[in-house]
Amino acid sequence: GQNIDQPTEMTATEGAIVQINCTYQTSGFNGLFWYQQHAGEAPTFLSYNVLDGLEEKGRFSSFLSRSKGYSYLLLKELQMKDSASYLCAPTSGGFKTIFGAGTRLFVKA
Amino acid sequence: DTGVSQDPRHKITKRGQNVTFRCDPISEHNRLYWYRQTLGQGPEFLTYFQNEAQLEKSRLLSDRFSAERPKGSFSTLEIQRTEQGDSAMYLCASSLTGEGYTFGSGTRLTVV
Repeated sequence: GQNIDQPTEMTATEGAIVQINCTYQTSGFNGLFWYQQHAGEAPTFLSYNVLDGLEEKGRFSSFLSRSKGYSYLLLKELQMKDSASYLCAPTSGGFKTIFGAGTRLFVKA
Repeated sequence: DTGVSQDPRHKITKRGQNVTFRCDPISEHNRLYWYRQTLGQGPEFLTYFQNEAQLEKSRLLSDRFSAERPKGSFSTLEIQRTEQGDSAMYLCASSLTGEGYTFGSGTRLTVV
């Protein structure tokens, strides 16, 4: 079966750093995606981790621990436009992706 | 290439009617996926294709739902005898195998 757990909401201040955690249980695990979704829009791809460790891409970094079934998305130098939902999405056999309910991030001035 | 296109953007239908949605993926992408999303939830997997072959269909889907990708290019999703519970955003995405998805803007279905 599939189970994905991430916080429902988080609030952070502009310019700060925020870490969004995700734990998952997925059979036939291949890798894990993070997507960003602004209200009323489609999700957009942020990152994909296959191996353990940290992948950095500009202000966004993503970490994966396969043995612990754990990932996090790290957002640095937060901007108001980063207010969105962040979806943790592990992939299983056949690269079918299952999405969590998402974490709604509110960035305040 | 202009990305993934979905048509229509919005659809309002009466309960019991049939509806069909279309998705045009990025041309070089071999994978095509359909998801459904309701407010406050993440996208829920419906089905996916590799080229023209439908590889998996969610057990959550009733027989009222059917999807096709006849020539391995565009895809259609049909819902027969719509119910109010079918009201949602229907998202199509495409990808190359093992890579991130590109989503379309979605079709918002309202069943009244």
